[in-house]
Amino acid sequence: GESVGLHLPTLSVQEGDNSIINCAYSNSASDYFIWYKQESGKGPQFIIDIRSNMDKRQGQRVTVLLNKTVKHLSLQIAATQPGDSAVYFCAENQPDSWGKLQFGAGTQVVVTP
Amino acid sequence: IAGITQAPTSQILAAGRRMTLRCTQDMRHNAMYWYRQDLGLGLRLIHYSNTAGTTGKGEVPDGYSVSRANTDDFPLTLASAVPSQTSVYFCASSDSRSGASEQFFGPGTRLTVL
Repeated sequence: GESVGLHLPTLSVQEGDNSIINCAYSNSASDYFIWYKQESGKGPQFIIDIRSNMDKRQGQRVTVLLNKTVKHLSLQIAATQPGDSAVYFCAENQPDSWGKLQFGAGTQVVVTP
Repeated sequence: IAGITQAPTSQILAAGRRMTLRCTQDMRHNAMYWYRQDLGLGLRLIHYSNTAGTTGKGEVPDGYSVSRANTDDFPLTLASAVPSQTSVYFCASSDSRSGASEQFFGPGTRLTVL
């Protein structure tokens, strides 16, 4: 079946630098994408989402970019802070899946001083 | 209650025992979900419910059952636990009546089956 995947399992970033986390998806019919952050011992926490009729969406210090041509999703974190250290998941929704999300395996982001 | 809660926080269970994981939300969301999370495998959907009175199977439903008697509660039952069900279980809810939307997650239940 088609699935969501991540390019890099671990990303090491120096504090203050920008982070870019990538995600590839294979189902061109997916209409909704979402990024979650999960800190150790906690449940996933919503960061930002984007619908397929958009190619960019910005939040506080985060930007999600959607490239439907190459089926690629990315999360950019500006001025990365120690509190950004976590596992980041992308997830996709397919139009006929009634809100069910399919998650990637996750990327571990480690912020170094 | 604020958001979504799960109980217990953690549990050690002997193989063959029956166990129910509880999940309650106070956001009046129509949809609820159960996931298991295992290292390197991300979140895998076990069962879901789009509305009270209906349930559906996810990616890994075997060995689990759910019920949705009302909007707020969505318990997950392991009828006869096996060691491969050792995992962290997350419950989530969303308002999906207008299409896909953010799922809100509970804090998780860490289950160990010996």
